[in-house]
Amino acid sequence: AQRVTQPEKLLSVFKGAPVELKCNYSYSGSPELFWYVQYSRQRLQLLLRHISRESIKGFTADLNKGETSFHLKKPFAQEEDSAMYYCALNELGSGNTGKLIFGQGTTLQVKP
Amino acid sequence: EAQVTQNPRYLITVTGKKLTVTCSQNMNHEYMSWYRQDPGLGLRQIYYSMNVEVTDKGDVPEGYKVSRKEKRNFPLILESPSPNQTSLYFCASRARGAYEQYFGPGTRLTVT
Repeated sequence: AQRVTQPEKLLSVFKGAPVELKCNYSYSGSPELFWYVQYSRQRLQLLLRHISRESIKGFTADLNKGETSFHLKKPFAQEEDSAMYYCALNELGSGNTGKLIFGQGTTLQVKP
Repeated sequence: EAQVTQNPRYLITVTGKKLTVTCSQNMNHEYMSWYRQDPGLGLRQIYYSMNVEVTDKGDVPEGYKVSRKEKRNFPLILESPSPNQTSLYFCASRARGAYEQYFGPGTRLTVT
């Protein structure tokens, strides 16, 4: 069964420290993976997707098919990065229903 | 402004009293979904719709109904709410062929 696992409920770091939010997935087909972010009092929004291989707000994420992981990284955390982060999986190919499978979410707290 | 709107934003009700949470999008998106967000469980899909008059169950459809009579609207109906439906509900939409889902602001429902 498709599953996305984020093992950490809370990750607390100091400003300027490196950040890695872990995400592991279980999926038999070709997955499309995303990171969504929810800042305080704002709606959930897309941060980045693995296919585009881009860096958004200093965050990057690499799909590792061997380890079935899609960890989110940033070399130097900023206070404005404090938010809830969700890793999500979408099935690729025909018949795509647009269904996203979300992980449990990780709250990132960046302390001054 | 392109957006997904939900109403009401907050609702407290009693067991068994039918309620409807509305969702509307102004982006002419084909796909719409309802999710519920619970602590430690992330977001789970309740129902989704691929177009007008086309709906299907997500992962946790029990106790919910939906309809898609117009492209822009996708209401979530709780015929007989129970306390285990106390949750934060999100509506989302996506264009066919696109990857990004746009989320509404959320509806916090409490059933006593």
